[in-house]
Amino acid sequence: DSGVTQTPKHLITATGQRVTLRCSPRSGDLSVYWYQQSLDQGLQFLIQYYNGEERAKGNILERFSAQQFPDLHSELNLSSLELGDSALYFCASSVGLAGMASYEQYFGPGTRLTVT
Amino acid sequence: AQTVTQSQPEMSVQEAETVTLSCTYDTSESDYYLFWYKQPPSRQMILVIRQEAYKQQNATENRFSVNFQKAAKSFSLKISDSQLGDAAMYFCAYRLLYNTDKLIFGTGTRLQVFP
Repeated sequence: DSGVTQTPKHLITATGQRVTLRCSPRSGDLSVYWYQQSLDQGLQFLIQYYNGEERAKGNILERFSAQQFPDLHSELNLSSLELGDSALYFCASSVGLAGMASYEQYFGPGTRLTVT
Repeated sequence: AQTVTQSQPEMSVQEAETVTLSCTYDTSESDYYLFWYKQPPSRQMILVIRQEAYKQQNATENRFSVNFQKAAKSFSLKISDSQLGDAAMYFCAYRLLYNTDKLIFGTGTRLQVFP
């Protein structure tokens, strides 16, 4: 158990719908990352938040957005869902930022999203 | 742009034997980290081992060790005394030391362990 929790574990929804994935980082971790694992794209970085502020963006679609709340939990919002959005969405957390003391990213168990 | 390549989609090993998984990467940076992550059927991503590029000594964690060749941009994982529980997808990943925290992953190698 990494200490990172994600809910829900599984989500099945229809095209065009909107869903929210939730992540609670490990206690004390200020950085939260979202990754998407799909069959055709592999594991890809989507976005990072550090202490409530957006820190870095990767290959995140405009239909997707995220935020980190004052209690440090994060939510990833996916809207106008398409079949190709079906994937495993991972949240990871770490203590700090690049350039600080060496640290690890600890991954949650993921949310399996199926768009039908 | 940085890229990570794992050229072996699948590998197999017999229990108690040794197997090596390959990874190459492309970067123009000199300061970075390299990682191996394990993803068992449960889909959980588990950090296996980490290597700092500025360290010449190869990292070792119990039965797992790496062969880091910075000039060749190669980062292979050796699993000794393979166990059935080692069966999983293994991902090589790269991260800069500064400026960005994102992990860049390879496409993975599926390791099967036979009794």
